[in-house]
Amino acid sequence: DAGVTQSPTHLIKTRGQHVTLRCSPISGHKSVSWYQQVLGQGPQFIFQYYEKEERGRGNFPDRFSARQFPNYSSELNVNALLLGDSALYLCASSSGQGIWNTEAFFGQGTRLTVV
Amino acid sequence: GESVGLHLPTLSVQEGDNSIINCAYSNSASDYFIWYKQESGKGPQFIIDIRSNMDKRQGQRVTVLLNKTVKHLSLQIAATQPGDSAVYFCAEKRSGNQFYFGTGTSLTVIP
Repeated sequence: DAGVTQSPTHLIKTRGQHVTLRCSPISGHKSVSWYQQVLGQGPQFIFQYYEKEERGRGNFPDRFSARQFPNYSSELNVNALLLGDSALYLCASSSGQGIWNTEAFFGQGTRLTVV
Repeated sequence: GESVGLHLPTLSVQEGDNSIINCAYSNSASDYFIWYKQESGKGPQFIIDIRSNMDKRQGQRVTVLLNKTVKHLSLQIAATQPGDSAVYFCAEKRSGNQFYFGTGTSLTVIP
C-alpha cells in the first residue's frame, strides 16, 4: 500500500514567485494536514482539511492557502514567496477528523528553497 | 502562549543502554499525544501514542509515560540501537486533527 506521497520532492523558487505543492493521502484517509518545518525546528501546523473543507488553520499569513479535492488529495499554495518560506513542507493524512484520536501519517515532504 | 517543548535538545547514549526523552506541554485540554521519530531527510514516523486517560503505554522496545499533573511526557527506548539515532518529537493533538510539535531532541547512539 502506498503511503502519503508528496510532489515535487525538491523545489527552488525565486522571491516573489508562487508555488504549488501536492499531496496524495493514504487510500481511505479523508483528512489531510499541512506542516512547515524550518531547519532545526519541529513541524508547525498550517492547515487541516477534512472532506474537502478547511477544519483548521495555523498562524500563517494569507499568502498560504490550500484546498482538498474530491479524491482527498490536496494542494498547498504559497504566493509572493519570501526567503523565510524556505522549509520542508510536510503533508500528513489521517482517517478521522478528530472524533477519534487517530495518528497522522506523514509524507517525505517537499524541500522548498527560496532564493 | 501555550506550547509543547522538550527539556533537552540533544542526548547521547551508549548502544544497549536505555534512553529517556522528555517533553513538557502546557495545554491541559490536550487529550492525545504522539511520539514521532524523524531521520535526516525524511518525514516524521509514528512511534507510539497515548490518550490522556492513560498514564503508560508500551510498544516494542518503547514506553510512553504521561503525567497529567505536571503536564509531562516521556519516551523510554530500551536497549538503544544505532538505528534509533534520530530527532524525536512529541506532538500534542488539539482541536480537529491538528498536531502541535515541540522543537525535538536529537538522539545519538554511540556504538
